[in-house]
Amino acid sequence: QSALTQPRSVSGSPGQSVTISCTGTRSDIGDYNSVSWYQHHPGKAPKLLIYDVTKRPSGVPDRFSGSKSGITASLTISGLQTDDEADYYCCSFAGSYTVFGGGTKLTVL
Amino acid sequence: QVQLVQSGAEVKRPQSSLKVSCKSSGGSFSSYAVSWVRQAPGQGLEWMGGIIPISGTSNIARQFQGRVTISADEHTSIVYMEMGRLISEDTAVYYCARGYYSNYLGSAFEIWGQGTMVTVSA
Repeated sequence: QSALTQPRSVSGSPGQSVTISCTGTRSDIGDYNSVSWYQHHPGKAPKLLIYDVTKRPSGVPDRFSGSKSGITASLTISGLQTDDEADYYCCSFAGSYTVFGGGTKLTVL
Repeated sequence: QVQLVQSGAEVKRPQSSLKVSCKSSGGSFSSYAVSWVRQAPGQGLEWMGGIIPISGTSNIARQFQGRVTISADEHTSIVYMEMGRLISEDTAVYYCARGYYSNYLGSAFEIWGQGTMVTVSA
């Protein structure tokens, strides 16, 4: 039950796009479409951005999009805004357990 | 709309036990999985386990098996997380989170509680 692998940090300027990768195994991301992404501002509860690899809950802007290829999932944020600066976590179901990525800190320069 | 309200902050001694509650209000309770996720200081999110109240079906992460119990009371719409043999490394913010889909332990976490800070210190 190892954590999914994310880059520790990414950065971008306002208006630009960034992509955060999340690599797992055939037992989690590779085998299930139950991949989700969360935005976490310090001191607040995490917020669901993407579920089922590509779906957005009501209220989440379409600037946030998800995809998956093989054992790697990705979150793309377009039109970066200063408020997007936060930690981002991927998550996957793996049958008998759920596993998070280590988290990626997004800095908006 | 559904809200999850957790019990308050706790300070615990090493080797003691902890019980945190998560009360659901404003919507359906029994058929949606509720999981517990923790974040230690400076660390990432860690899934601990989850339960579907109506069936009692549960999963516990391997690293917590034998030390963590997750239970649900349908009458009060409360999910509990109990952890024994606490160590300093259990100091963390503990969150409960409800699944997006009903009757599916693998569902994404749509609704989150406010978090409960637990400090384990002698």
